[in-house]
Amino acid sequence: EAEVAQSPRYKITEKSQAVAFWCDPISGHATLYWYRQILGQGPELLVQFQDESVVDDSQLPKDRFSAERLKGVDSTLKIQPAELGDSAMYLCASSLYTGTGGYTFGSGTRLTVV
Amino acid sequence: GEDVEQSLFLSVREGDSSVINCTYTDSSSTYLYWYKQEPGAGLQLLTYIFSNMDMKQDQRLTVLLNKKDKHLSLRIADTQTGDSAIYFCAEINNAGNMLTFGGGTRLMVKP
Repeated sequence: EAEVAQSPRYKITEKSQAVAFWCDPISGHATLYWYRQILGQGPELLVQFQDESVVDDSQLPKDRFSAERLKGVDSTLKIQPAELGDSAMYLCASSLYTGTGGYTFGSGTRLTVV
Repeated sequence: GEDVEQSLFLSVREGDSSVINCTYTDSSSTYLYWYKQEPGAGLQLLTYIFSNMDMKQDQRLTVLLNKKDKHLSLRIADTQTGDSAIYFCAEINNAGNMLTFGGGTRLMVKP
């Protein structure tokens, strides 16, 4: 069964350092999403891509977060500098079509900022 | 904006039925979803219901939708210890480009 791949699985970083997460969606899925899930809460959308274009990044803290999907396939989410409040699970999801909501999620990257 | 609410916790005995409830505010939602998250893992899509339906059954899972009250429920029949997880309901906005999640209900199944 096709999966959304994410790496690393876990990341511990010191505050003020830079950190990056990688996501490889299911082959052929045009839409890619990055969600942040704080412990004990539901996931919240950070950014949505359609192919290589950003569709929605209204919830992305752009002073420190950036996301790219240069060739419309895999994607990188970067935080620089990391803050203690960024500790969370970062989930990537992809879907074949926009609008159905039946996203496939990766296993996530758990970030701990110390 | 959209708001999705769930109760925090549910405890049942193995073999009993579980009912997890959810309320939402966006009346224009086209699809509503139930996802399952096991500890330390990503989200797994369990089932979904189209907004013009009021019930959907899929093996041990039954989804009920009351559009008038904006209430969604997930019933798990014959609950097993492997069903212990956090369950999230989610709605998609009318434009079809944003999935909004509730805060999750932690289901604990006692042997």
